[in-house]
Amino acid sequence: GAGVSQSPRYKVAKRGQDVALRCDPISGHVSLFWYQQALGQGPEFLTYFQNEAQLDKSGLPSDRFFAERPEGSVSTLKIQRTQQEDSAVYLCASSSQPYLGDTQYFGPGTRLTVL
Amino acid sequence: GQQLNQSPQSMFIQEGEDVSMNCTSSSIFNTWLWYKQDPGEGPVLLIALYKAGELTSNGRLTAQFGITRKDSFLNISASIPSDVGIYFCAVTDSGNTPLVFGKGTRLSVIA
Repeated sequence: GAGVSQSPRYKVAKRGQDVALRCDPISGHVSLFWYQQALGQGPEFLTYFQNEAQLDKSGLPSDRFFAERPEGSVSTLKIQRTQQEDSAVYLCASSSQPYLGDTQYFGPGTRLTVL
Repeated sequence: GQQLNQSPQSMFIQEGEDVSMNCTSSSIFNTWLWYKQDPGEGPVLLIALYKAGELTSNGRLTAQFGITRKDSFLNISASIPSDVGIYFCAVTDSGNTPLVFGKGTRLSVIA
């Protein structure tokens, strides 16, 4: 079956531009997660959705970061007025379980480079 | 915030050798997970540990959840070239807190 897909795979933005990153989770998975992975680091939690409800956004680094999952399936992570420190790989994961931890299936990520 | 310490940071081994890496935390966690990440891909779950002292195997992989609930190790036996990648440990408080990842151990296998 299809896994988690993300688009675009690569995004180059000029500083100050807005970007939108898309995640298509595994069909039927209730939980969806966004992570930020800087070069040479492990993934860091950004936010969590259970169906369409955003239950935890404690990891979002600033109010320039916004995520939504309006119909409980596809999710979009939006970054406004991008800065160089936003350059990273953004990973999406989904899970059939309604928990913050445990078994999550990751997508390949979107590599964002801010010039 | 919470930090996990993984060691070694990187290792180079000969094909066929056994590998051992570990992960420690200053806090107690009830669930320990090991992931592998290949270049350009997301992490893939290898082994999940839910019980202190638990030893779990998955093919050539064996992982143990330390009795103090503050550490875990991962062993790979008879390494092969496709074992190359970055191995991350991750923890959660019984699934009620977001996963926290270590910085990873980068494994290189020399044929």
